[in-house]
Amino acid sequence: DAGVIQSPRHEVTEMGQEVTLRCKPISGHNSLFWYRQTMMRGLELLIYFNNNVPIDDSGMPEDRFSAKMPNASFSTLKIQPSEPRDSAVYFCASSFTSGGSLETQYFGPGTRLLVL
Amino acid sequence: GQSLEQPSEVTAVEGAIVQINCTYQTSGFYGLSWYQQHDGGAPTFLSYNGLDGLEETGRFSSFLSRSDSYGYLLLQELQMKDSASYFCAFEYGGATNKLIFGTGTLLAVQP
Repeated sequence: DAGVIQSPRHEVTEMGQEVTLRCKPISGHNSLFWYRQTMMRGLELLIYFNNNVPIDDSGMPEDRFSAKMPNASFSTLKIQPSEPRDSAVYFCASSFTSGGSLETQYFGPGTRLLVL
Repeated sequence: GQSLEQPSEVTAVEGAIVQINCTYQTSGFYGLSWYQQHDGGAPTFLSYNGLDGLEETGRFSSFLSRSDSYGYLLLQELQMKDSASYFCAFEYGGATNKLIFGTGTLLAVQP
């Protein structure tokens, strides 16, 4: 059974460029999470979706960040324009959530983003 | 606000037992999870405590005391492959449920 799939695995871009990160959750999961990990700030939740609907986007740093989930099997996180301080590892995770409990989250391999 | 505290680093020798503590502060708490992350890898789920007490999964055990806002992860019969970062995370049930992660404990297992 395939796990969470993320692409690209590595991205190097220049400041000001648009960056789009992609995620395919585990089939059957109804919750999807985007996290950012840096040495300074650790693992931060950016946004999460339940049944394709954004539930909590309080972690999205600013308007340059946007996320979409057009269907149950695909989500994107977009940064436009990108800045050097956005350099981090971005993880997508999915879970099956029922009765309000979050249950176990399964993480993808991450996208390592470097903005020059 | 919500916060978790765990030691930044722990060192132990192969075959030993190590305990990683986690204290938390939050107004809405549902449970405590533990995740393992190897260098360059993704976090993977280890254990979850929804109720007070001890949960055992092979060489790993996790404990929760809600009254003390405290939990720990116990690793027994340490192996070199256990060298990794370990994160506690609590399930925060405020307006929306979500996981809040600690800053992680880097465990170094020495031969």
